[in-house]
Amino acid sequence: KQEVTQIPAALSVPEGENLVLNCSFTDSAIYNLQWFRQDPGKGLTSLLLIQSSQREQTSGRLNASLDKSSGRSTLYIAASQPGDSATYLCAVREINDYKLSFGAGTTVTVRA
Amino acid sequence: GAGVSQSPSNKVTEKGKDVELRCDPISGHTALYWYRQSLGQGLEFLIYFQGNSAPDKSGLPSDRFSAERTGGSVSTLTIQRTQQEDSAVYLCASSTGAGAGNEQFFGPGTRLTVL
Repeated sequence: KQEVTQIPAALSVPEGENLVLNCSFTDSAIYNLQWFRQDPGKGLTSLLLIQSSQREQTSGRLNASLDKSSGRSTLYIAASQPGDSATYLCAVREINDYKLSFGAGTTVTVRA
Repeated sequence: GAGVSQSPSNKVTEKGKDVELRCDPISGHTALYWYRQSLGQGLEFLIYFQGNSAPDKSGLPSDRFSAERTGGSVSTLTIQRTQQEDSAVYLCASSTGAGAGNEQFFGPGTRLTVL
């Protein structure tokens, strides 16, 4: 069974600092990996999707890397802002499967 | 619509009652998924639809849970004889297909509280 772990569980940084969020997974036979953002009481907003054949994806201040062989992905958020405060979830989709397996998330607080 | 919509946004029910939760996927999305998010269990998969058929129902926790999809669009998740442990946020997602490049887009969820 795929296990997805996100460390740390919570992170607090001053505005302007770069954020580094980690995700690890136990089974490297994945189809893709998706990063999401969740604001309190809201649904999930898709940030980035990395296919298994890709090493990284970028969108604005966000960059996500994928090292499939070691079972790791990292989400970098440059020059953090208070509006980046949210819970960030990573999810993997295994080969020959349809569902996403989620980590527990990292709750980020960016202090003004 | 512009995104996945779900209704109701909140539902409070008494133990033993049946509830129906609705999901409207993004127009043209053939794949639809139900997940639930609870404090103790995190986010867990319930069921996947491709068109109107459900090739993967492996996540439904008991036979009290069922789901259908009609016209390749709207889906309804039904929970019969609700129990307190069914209290959770039920999230629906859709995607254009099931390929490696297909992102899953999520709705705002339905918060179910069973008293």
